[in-house]
Amino acid sequence: KAGVTQTPRYLIKTRGQQVTLSCSPISGHRSVSWYQQTPGQGLQFLFEYFSETQRNKGNFPGRFSGRQFSNSRSEMNVSTLELGDSALYLCASMGQGGEKLFFGSGTQLSVL
Amino acid sequence: GIQVEQSPPDLILQEGANSTLRCNFSDSVNNLQWFHQNPWGQLINLFYIPSGTKQNGRLSATTVATERYSLLYISSSQTTDSGVYFCAAISSGSARQLTFGSGTQLTVLP
Repeated sequence: KAGVTQTPRYLIKTRGQQVTLSCSPISGHRSVSWYQQTPGQGLQFLFEYFSETQRNKGNFPGRFSGRQFSNSRSEMNVSTLELGDSALYLCASMGQGGEKLFFGSGTQLSVL
Repeated sequence: GIQVEQSPPDLILQEGANSTLRCNFSDSVNNLQWFHQNPWGQLINLFYIPSGTKQNGRLSATTVATERYSLLYISSSQTTDSGVYFCAAISSGSARQLTFGSGTQLTVLP
C-alpha cells in the first residue's frame, strides 16, 4: 500500500503570495489532517477533513484554509503569505478505526 | 485543551545503551501515539498505545492511563535511532485533535 504522498517537497515564495499544498492519503483512509511544524512552536494542528467536510480546526488565522475532494485527496491553501508561515507542513491520514496516524514527508515552505 | 509534556528534551547515548523517554499528559486520553522523526523530517508511527504495553523489536512502550503518563523504551540503541521522538494524544473529552509534545531529541553516538 502506498503511503501518504505530499507535493511539492519544497516551495519558495515571497511575502504576499499564496500557496497550495497537496496531500494524497493512504488508499481507503478518509480522514486527512494537516500540521505545521516550526522550531519555535513545534507541531501544531491546522485542521482535519473527513468525507469532504472539515471536522476540526486549530487556532490558525483564516488565511489558512483547506479542502478535501471526493477521492479523499486534500489541499491546503495559505493566502497572503507572511515570513512566519515558513515551516514544514505535514499531512497525515487515519483509517476507519481512528487509531494510528500516518504522515507524509511534508512540504518545506520558505517565505522570503 | 490537553497538555502533553515530554522529558528529557535532549538525550545523548553511546551505541548499545538503553534509554527511557517519558510523556505526561494532563487529561484522560482515548488515543496516544509515539512517533520518530528522522533527520529528513519524516514522522514514523511507532506505537498506538492509549493503555497497556506493546513491544516492537528493540522498542517498547507502556501507558499508565490512570496516572497519565507513557514511557518509550529503546534498548541496545543504534545510530539510526537518532532523531526526535514525539508523543501525541487525543483527550477523551475533546474533538479529534492530536496534541503533540515538544519532543525528545535523541543522539546516538557510534
